[in-house]
Amino acid sequence: ETGVTQSPTHLIKTRGQQVTLRCSSQSGHNTVSWYQQALGQGPQFIFQYYREEENGRGNFPPRFSGLQFPNYSSELNVNALELDDSALYLCASSLRRSNLYEQYFGPGTRLTVT
Amino acid sequence: SQQGEEDPQALSIQEGENATMNCSYKTSINNLQWYRQNSGRGLVHLILIRSNEREKHSGRLRVTLDTSKKSSSLLITASRAADTASYFCATYNGGATNKLIFGTGTLLAVQP
Repeated sequence: ETGVTQSPTHLIKTRGQQVTLRCSSQSGHNTVSWYQQALGQGPQFIFQYYREEENGRGNFPPRFSGLQFPNYSSELNVNALELDDSALYLCASSLRRSNLYEQYFGPGTRLTVT
Repeated sequence: SQQGEEDPQALSIQEGENATMNCSYKTSINNLQWYRQNSGRGLVHLILIRSNEREKHSGRLRVTLDTSKKSSSLLITASRAADTASYFCATYNGGATNKLIFGTGTLLAVQP
């Protein structure tokens, strides 16, 4: 158990809808990252938040957005869902310190877009 | 985009045998990490090796890193059925954004 929790566990949405996924970081961690993992692939970096500000973004369109709250919990929002957005969404928390960025992953949210 | 390839894509062995997985990456790194993932669930951190280290051990795990060849290997000794999972290497390049770049993964099946 990493102490990182995500909700919901599973979600089924229809193309064009919007979805919000939630993540609660491990206690004491001030950085949260979100990853998308398509079936049979490795996770792909979506973006990262540090002290409530976006701190880097991967190759994902603006309809993927996020928030980090003062208690370091986080949300991932996806607008105008597309079929290809079906994936496992993972959040990972870490403590920002020099040289090492060991990340602790939550169990993920499985999103299915129909 | 993925950082690189993992080899093999899938590996099936008997309990008690050793399993070796290889990872190649493309850019310079600060450290390389190995993760395990059971049945499409969350990733579990296994071991981290820094760019100035060549070998690291943790229990039944042995990781090597060759920065000149941009490659790493993970050895699991005396495998158990519970080791059945997907294994991913991930690199961190030390930039302002501490993102991990993952490989494509190796699916390990350990037969009892």
